[in-house]
Amino acid sequence: GDSVTQMEGPVTLSEEAFLTINCTYTATGYPSLFWYVQYPGEGLQLLLKATKADDKGSNKGFEATYRKETTSFHLEKGSVQVSDSAVYFCALNQAGTALIFGKGTTLSVSS
Amino acid sequence: NAGVTQTPKFQVLKTGQSMTLQCAQDMNHEYMSWYRQDPGMGLRLIHYSVGAGITDQGEVPNGYNVSRSTTEDFPLRLLSAAPSQTSVYFCASSYTGQGGSYTFGSGTRLTVV
Repeated sequence: GDSVTQMEGPVTLSEEAFLTINCTYTATGYPSLFWYVQYPGEGLQLLLKATKADDKGSNKGFEATYRKETTSFHLEKGSVQVSDSAVYFCALNQAGTALIFGKGTTLSVSS
Repeated sequence: NAGVTQTPKFQVLKTGQSMTLQCAQDMNHEYMSWYRQDPGMGLRLIHYSVGAGITDQGEVPNGYNVSRSTTEDFPLRLLSAAPSQTSVYFCASSYTGQGGSYTFGSGTRLTVV
């Protein structure tokens, strides 16, 4: 079945550092890809998405590009802030089903 | 708009008890789904629905039951609670399947003792 694999955390960075969180997927068709973020004690919020190959999703300084050839959707940010500390989830879905999530990556940013 | 509303926010059950976690959305979304979140496991899909009257199983359906009699509501029933069902449960909805952005509820924290 379809699946998503994320890099293990936690990821610990200093403020203004560059962030990459790796995400790869396995799917039989052409899924849509998402990054969701969960701040402490809260539910999940959509961060960005891409619906077809070579699409780039972006929001709040975060970016991810849908790479069909490497089945990847890595999340990047050029300069992280303390307020970016959260758990980040990569996910996919295909027509007629629901979101399938990776296990999540905890990001901790210190000042 | 209220979005996706889950009730209750917290619940403690005894082993063997049954209960229903409520999920309601006011966005006229066709797609709804239930997840459980456990440490180190991410979010695992329990059941989902692509419209009223249509439901299907996800990755971890055992011990849970769902029905979708209206577009707005998608309750999750625990038939006989077990300590292994201690978790945080999230409901989500989307206006469409592939490509649609899911909106999540704030979760229900369930403890089974």
